Amino acid sequence: DSGVTQTPKHLITATGQRVTLRCSPRSGDLSVYWYQQSLDQGLQFLIQYYNGEERAKGNILERFSAQQFPDLHSELNLSSLELGDSALYFCASSLSGTVHSEQYFGPGTRLTVT
Amino acid sequence: GNSVTQMEGPVTLSEEAFLTINCTYTATGYPSLFWYVQYPGEGLQLLLKATKADDKGSNKGFEATYRKETTSFHLEKGSVQVSDSAVYFCALSDQRDSWGKLQFGAGTQVVVTP
Repeated sequence: DSGVTQTPKHLITATGQRVTLRCSPRSGDLSVYWYQQSLDQGLQFLIQYYNGEERAKGNILERFSAQQFPDLHSELNLSSLELGDSALYFCASSLSGTVHSEQYFGPGTRLTVT
Repeated sequence: GNSVTQMEGPVTLSEEAFLTINCTYTATGYPSLFWYVQYPGEGLQLLLKATKADDKGSNKGFEATYRKETTSFHLEKGSVQVSDSAVYFCALSDQRDSWGKLQFGAGTQVVVTP
């Protein structure tokens, strides 16, 4: 158990809908990363937050947004969902959010868009 | 840009066999290199890492050496067990990028049979 929790575990929704994925980092970790794992694109970095502020952005679509709250949990919002958004979404946390700080991954949220 | 290439799977081998998973990288800077393992239904776990050339990372019988001259970070284990069946990801983090986002290879599935 990495100490990172993600809810829900599974999510099934229809095209055009909006969903929110939630991540709680390990106790004491200030940074949260979001990654998407899909069959065609593999594991890709989406976005990173440190202590409530956005720090780095990767291949995140404009339909997707995220935030990190004062209690350090993070939410990833996906809107106008398309079939291609079906994927496993991982959250990882690290102490300092720097290149020297190990990332601990949650179990993921499996999103299925029908 | 940076990229990670790893051998395609699945790799199927018998218990106590020698495992090698090839990983090569392209990076303009000096990356840190990682191997992550993903067991069925779980998130990624850091297996080992190396942060500079000639460093050897090791954990649970697995080893990988950071080879700058061949831009490689091959994963090896001398005697695999059925419990080593998983998907293994090679990843890099560009040390010029302060925030530590990970870039992953496609993953290699390893199946160990009794």
